[in-house]
Amino acid sequence: GENVEQHPSTLSVQEGDSAVIKCTYSDSASNYFPWYKQELGKRPQLIIDIRSNVGEKKDQRIAVTLNKTAKHFSLHITETQPEDSAVYFCAASKPAGYSTLTFGKGTMLLVSP
Amino acid sequence: NAGVTQTPKFQVLKTGQSMTLQCAQDMNHEYMSWYRQDPGMGLRLIHYSVGAGITDQGEVPNGYNVSRSTTEDFPLRLLSAAPSQTSVYFCASSGGGGDPRTIYFGEGSWLTVV
Repeated sequence: GENVEQHPSTLSVQEGDSAVIKCTYSDSASNYFPWYKQELGKRPQLIIDIRSNVGEKKDQRIAVTLNKTAKHFSLHITETQPEDSAVYFCAASKPAGYSTLTFGKGTMLLVSP
Repeated sequence: NAGVTQTPKFQVLKTGQSMTLQCAQDMNHEYMSWYRQDPGMGLRLIHYSVGAGITDQGEVPNGYNVSRSTTEDFPLRLLSAAPSQTSVYFCASSGGGGDPRTIYFGEGSWLTVV
C-alpha cells in the first residue's frame, strides 16, 4: 500500500518568515495530494490540494509543489503569521472513483510573534 | 447545513464496555469514513463506506464494527473497549458531485478507555 513520509515533525519560525513542509510518497499511481490544517482541539480542514497534472498551485500565501519523478510534494507558506500555528498533514490518494487517503504523521508549525 | 455531525464529543469508557459513536452528514455524500488520531501517528483509516449497504476495512479495523443502512449515517461501534482504543475519532464524508477524495471531517469525538 501507499506510504507517506512527512518532514519535519516540528517547525518553528518567526512571524514573517517562510515555512516549508515536505512529503514523499511511495506509490507512483497516486495522483491527488491534499494538505490539511488542524488547529488545537479542532477538526482537520483542507487548505489546498494538487493533482498530478500540474506542478504547482498557489492560493494567496500558500503554495504546493509536486515532483512526480521524485515522488515528493511540498507545502510553502510565505509571510507566516501567528494564526498559521497548527498541525499540517499531507496525504496521497490514487485515481478516483473512490480511493482512500493515506496521511503523513503531521508537522506542528509554531509561528512566534 | 450542518455538514458532518459526530456525537458524543467526549466519552469515558471502562475496559470491556461497548459503545457507538454516531456520525451523520447532510451533504448527500456517498462516501463516509472513520479515522482515529493518535499523537505522532497522524490520521489512520478504520473503516469506510462507498454507499449504503457497502463497507470495507481500512488500515486499523480490529476492535471496530460499522454499518451503513442509510446514506446519511455511518456509526462506529466498539464492542469491547480496550485502553488501546483511547484516541480522537473523526468521521469524514465526501462526494456529492465533487472529487470523492476531497474529504470533510466532523468535529471529532474524544474517547478515553480506563
